[in-house]
Amino acid sequence: SYELTQPPSVSVSPGQTASITCSGDILGNNYACWHQQKPGQSPVLVMSQDDKRPSGIPERFSGSKSGNTATLTISGTQAMDEADYYCQAWDSNTALYVFGPGTKVTVL
Amino acid sequence: EVQLVQSGAEVKKPGESLRISCKGSGYSFTTYWISWVRQMPGKGLEWMGRIDPTDSYTTYSPSFQGHVTISADKSISTAYLQWSGLRASDTAMYYCAREFARANDFWGQGTLVTVSS
Repeated sequence: SYELTQPPSVSVSPGQTASITCSGDILGNNYACWHQQKPGQSPVLVMSQDDKRPSGIPERFSGSKSGNTATLTISGTQAMDEADYYCQAWDSNTALYVFGPGTKVTVL
Repeated sequence: EVQLVQSGAEVKKPGESLRISCKGSGYSFTTYWISWVRQMPGKGLEWMGRIDPTDSYTTYSPSFQGHVTISADKSISTAYLQWSGLRASDTAMYYCAREFARANDFWGQGTLVTVSS
């Protein structure tokens, strides 16, 4: 089965930029999306189709993809952005979805 | 407003059966597939499988195939996740989520399932 790789943790100072990567072979031909999950809450979609921000998601969240690596960038990070972030992709070969292991973003 | 409302927390014994539900509202239920996602305590998200509510066509992750069954009743806009023989390792939070453009765009509030003797 295909896998997605994310760094376990990212630390960022308030107001600075946080970048979270997601790598995997399936990203070469499939979109990546990103979910934010705060403790005790359900996940929330913050980026779809590599770089499309859903309604209601702040502009400081942006997405990109190059080759097999997708990146979620949080510009001007705020304390409220502290959360776990999961990438997700559709594997068109198996017709199944895959989640990355998640990245814990800490705002110091 | 799109909403997915899941059934309440469950406490079961190993070997017991269970069905949890996910009711959609605020959108056309048959237009979007529904996924089920597991989150074990302190762990990440695991995609379990999905269903097309129009015809109940399902696909499963190999990790869950044969241990759970996903179904839906489009007449009441509800999807289900069920087990016929629970194990202690099934203890987890389970989420349903709507699919749109190859992403899960709306999530339910989660159902906590505890399996303990």
